[in-house]
Amino acid sequence: GESVGLHLPTLSVQEGDNSIINCAYSNSASDYFIWYKQESGKGPQFIIDIRSNMDKRQGQRVTVLLNKTVKHLSLQIAATQPGDSAVYFCAERTGDKLIFGTGTRLQVFP
Amino acid sequence: ETGVTQTPRHLVMGMTNKKSLKCEQHLGHNAMYWYKQSAKKPLELMFVYNFKEQTENNSVPSRFSPECPNSSHLFLHLHTLQPEDSALYLCASSPHTLRSSGVGDTQYFGPGTRLTVL
Repeated sequence: GESVGLHLPTLSVQEGDNSIINCAYSNSASDYFIWYKQESGKGPQFIIDIRSNMDKRQGQRVTVLLNKTVKHLSLQIAATQPGDSAVYFCAERTGDKLIFGTGTRLQVFP
Repeated sequence: ETGVTQTPRHLVMGMTNKKSLKCEQHLGHNAMYWYKQSAKKPLELMFVYNFKEQTENNSVPSRFSPECPNSSHLFLHLHTLQPEDSALYLCASSPHTLRSSGVGDTQYFGPGTRLTVL
C-alpha cells in the first residue's frame, strides 16, 4: 500500500547547526510534496512544497530536496533556531489525496 | 495565523453528549477538510467539501456528521462518541480540492480542537 514515513522519530540539534529531516515515500506516481511544521498546541503550518518535476526548492532558511530515483524527500533547515523546535511531517499527493507521514520531532538545544 | 479558526479549542464530552465543532476560514477558499490527528499516527482525512458539496467521506462512522452551510464555514456534529474518538480534530482549507485543480493547492490548517471523550 501507499505509505509515507520518516527515518527518525526524534532529531536533536544544537542551535546554529543545520538540520536535515528525511522522508521516504512509496508511490512513484506521487507528483507533489509538502513539508509541514506543527508546534505544540497548534495546527500544521505549511513550510515549503515541491513538484515532482523539480529536484530542489529553496525558501527562507529551508531547502527541500527530492530524489525520485530512491523516492526520498528531505527538509534542510539552515542555522536551526529554538523556534524551529516542532514536529515536522511530509505529505505526498497521490491522485486526489494527500498522504501524511507520522512526523519527526526536532529538538533544538542551546 | 493561517486564516483558519476553530472553536472550541478544547472539548470534554461524555459518550451520550451531542456537541459540534466549528471551523471558519477567512481566505476565500473553496475547499474545506476535516482531519483527525491521533497520537503517533498520521493525519487521517475524514471529509472533504468543495463549493459546499461533500466530495469525500473517508469511511467515517456516522457518529460524526459534517455540515458545510457555505464555503467559509464547516461544522462537525458529534454524538454518541467513543473514548477512542479522543483526538485533535483539524480543519483545513485550500483554494480548490486536489481533484478539481490538478495542481498542488496547499492546505492551510486551523489550530484544532482537542477532544476528550469520557
